[in-house]
Amino acid sequence: DAKTTQPNSMESNEEEPVHLPCNHSTISGTDYIHWYRQLPSQGPEYVIHGLTSNVNNRMASLAIAEDRKSSTLILHRATLRDAAVYYCILRALYNDMRFGAGTRLTVKP
Amino acid sequence: NAGVTQTPKFQVLKTGQSMTLQCAQDMNHNSMYWYRQDPGMGLRLIYYSASEGTTDKGEVPNGYNVSRLNKREFSLRLESAAPSQTSVYFCASSEEGLAGGEQFFGPGTRLTVL
Repeated sequence: DAKTTQPNSMESNEEEPVHLPCNHSTISGTDYIHWYRQLPSQGPEYVIHGLTSNVNNRMASLAIAEDRKSSTLILHRATLRDAAVYYCILRALYNDMRFGAGTRLTVKP
Repeated sequence: NAGVTQTPKFQVLKTGQSMTLQCAQDMNHNSMYWYRQDPGMGLRLIYYSASEGTTDKGEVPNGYNVSRLNKREFSLRLESAAPSQTSVYFCASSEEGLAGGEQFFGPGTRLTVL
């Protein structure tokens, strides 16, 4: 299974952009890049996913490197509610999701 | 819409006891999943059901059984609980099968086995 590498933790100031990196050097051509986040004491919540092109939605943007060996989740203006563990997951067609330890994001007021 | 609901929210069992965790979704999704999350770790898939009437093993199925009762409900049973099964259990559902699609998660059941 292709694996992802994320920093254990990151800090951000409120209302500033946050760039959460993910390395996935062994990604295969059929792997989608998914991001979920988990707020304290809650179940995970879908954030965004993509295959090759950059993606935007109301929550975040996903920037995918041209060689697809890394990606970055971008929160444009962090709020205190964005404090969570963010998981970068590779998911091939008809395969299950394998969660790693994720990145714990702390947002400072 | 309630989304994905789970009962109970908390449970304490003694070693060897059995129990069933209940999960229901009201989004008419075909696929449902059971995960466990140990402290400080990511989620691991126990079992999934791609559609009503089918179930398949995930990454860590040992010690568990599941039933897809109907399209809405997917239960997880521990026949003889062990301390190693102390964890938080999450149920999820999605529109598509494992091929993709956003998974919606329930609030979790915190299980302690003494």
